[in-house]
Order: sequence, then structure tokens, then C-alpha cells
Amino acid sequence: AQSVTQLDSQVPVFEEAPVELRCNYSSSVSVYLFWYVQYPNQGLQLLLKYLSGSTLVKGINGFEAEFNKSQTSFHLRKPSVHISDTAEYFCAVSESTGGFKTIFGAGTRLFVKA
Amino acid sequence: EAQVTQNPRYLITVTGKKLTVTCSQNMNHEYMSWYRQDPGLGLRQIYYSMNVEVTDKGDVPEGYKVSRKEKRNFPLILESPSPNQTSLYFCASSLFGGEQFFGPGTRLTVL
Repeated sequence: AQSVTQLDSQVPVFEEAPVELRCNYSSSVSVYLFWYVQYPNQGLQLLLKYLSGSTLVKGINGFEAEFNKSQTSFHLRKPSVHISDTAEYFCAVSESTGGFKTIFGAGTRLFVKA
Repeated sequence: EAQVTQNPRYLITVTGKKLTVTCSQNMNHEYMSWYRQDPGLGLRQIYYSMNVEVTDKGDVPEGYKVSRKEKRNFPLILESPSPNQTSLYFCASSLFGGEQFFGPGTRLTVL
């Protein structure tokens, strides 16, 4: 069975500061990894994904994430956040074979302060 | 425009009154899925479908039904809604292994 743990439910940070949102997962099979963002009163949109290859993945809006297989982590980072990055961020894991069942973490609410 | 549409966007109903939330995608995706989002729990998968006439249970299928008669449509059916099904529901579609494209959400309240 798969599981996803987002280690922080809320992360307050000042504008232009760096941020890291942490995600750990467990799975008995190979997985694909994703980060999605949800702005208030909207659906989810993809920030970035890891399917294979380079473990450092770059996404939209200056975000990046690093896949660490030994630590089963996929932490999201941004070197300098903006007010507009205030949103909820979800880490997700999908099986890379078979039914592609997807598990989402509980979410991390990023609050960027001026 | 490539998109996933859901209807209705908002629905208030009463316990036991059958309802259907429709979902349609225009991207020719094989994979479609339904999630519910509840505070502090993130998104939980209800059902998913890998292709026409192929559906499977996610983590919280109890009280829900789905069907996939056409590739583009994946309706969610609540035969006898209960208050614990009050939630925000999202439909999503994707190619296998790829990113999921989400609909705008349906906010359901069951009284």
C-alpha cells in the first residue's frame, strides 16, 4: 500500500525568503511523484512531476523538487517566494504500473507574508 | 480549449435523494478519476477508470457509483446521499502516468 506524508500542515514565510515543503512517501512498487498547487476557490494544477531520469525536477513559477529514493522523499523548494505563492500545495504519488492509483498528501498551506 | 468540466458546481440536497455529478473531458484521456477533498485530509480517491468499461475502487468508494460508457464522460452517482458525503468533489483525467488535469470542483452539501 502507498502512503504520502506532508510533514507540515502550514508554513508561514516572509516574502522573498526561501521555502521548503516536505513530502515523504512509502510504496512497495515504483512510483511517479507530483506536486500540485491549489489557489483559493480553484481546482488543482500541476507544479512539477518526476517520472524518471534526473532526480532534480524543475517546475512552473520557479519551484523545484528533488527525488531522493533512499529517503523516499520529494521535497518542494523555491529560493524566493512571492505573495502570489500563497496557496495549498499537495504532494501525490501514483503507481508507475498497473492501475495508476493515486494517493495525495493532506496538503501544506503556504502563507507568504509581506 | 483542453479542459475537464463538471456539473453542477454547487449542489444542496437532502439525505436519500439520488444525484449525479457529471464529468467530461475533451483531451481523449484514457484515465479518469474522482476525488473528494475534506479539510485536513487532502484529496482522497473515490473511483478511477483506466478506459471505457474499466473502473476500480479508490480509497473511499463506499456510497458512490461510477460508470464509464464513453471515453470522455465519467459521472459520479450518489444513490442515497448522507450528510457525511458533504464535501468538495473533483474529477480529473490524464494519459497514463502523466499529470492529472482537474475540473473546477463541485461543492456538495447533503442536509
